[in-house]
Amino acid sequence: QKEVEQDPGPLSVPEGAIVSLNCTYSNSAFQYFMWYRQYSRKGPELLMYTYSSGNKEDGRFTAQVDKSSKYISLFIRDSQPSDSATYLCAMSAGRGANSKLTFGKGITLSVRP
Amino acid sequence: GAGVSQSPSNKVTEKGKDVELRCDPISGHTALYWYRQSLGQGLEFLIYFQGNSAPDKSGLPSDRFSAERTGGSVSTLTIQRTQQEDSAVYLCASRYDSSYNSPLHFGNGTRLTVT
Repeated sequence: QKEVEQDPGPLSVPEGAIVSLNCTYSNSAFQYFMWYRQYSRKGPELLMYTYSSGNKEDGRFTAQVDKSSKYISLFIRDSQPSDSATYLCAMSAGRGANSKLTFGKGITLSVRP
Repeated sequence: GAGVSQSPSNKVTEKGKDVELRCDPISGHTALYWYRQSLGQGLEFLIYFQGNSAPDKSGLPSDRFSAERTGGSVSTLTIQRTQQEDSAVYLCASRYDSSYNSPLHFGNGTRLTVT
């Protein structure tokens, strides 16, 4: 079993839809959870990060972490064509030598105008 | 300000040749990472440098891969005797320090094709 599993997609939705992206993980040491967005031929850019369990909201984006279920989600409200990209979840156990991120495989989202 | 810069952006090489990939991190960032991104495989950790500490090389797939970071700044990833399975996008990232709230900034990668 991989440490981080992410639905492979791809996912296509109409503009304005609510999008739910999810990852599960097996390493209970993970404490820091991130979502990265990657446009074609670009490097990933940090979208959201959370520590431990709970929700975090930033504009149209909400990140949720449920450590008891080892499950994280990213919700995108009122999706826009500019949200079309690959979304990667990432997580780490801590600082220093444990700070390297373990990524999901990513899911490609397409928002149709 | 300037972001993480990687060169070359594309590299095509013949099987068996050596290649060097370069990363210029953001000035002042003490932590530097190399990842490999293959189609359908996500990002695979390769190596991590933090300040003057010994690098974490636990992700390097074979002894054909090596990396160094000179003067705590520029890093070079070297792949010797390239194989076709080395074809991937090699991403470099830097962060101010290794704390959790210090975001990772990625370059746009070097797309390596081994023919």
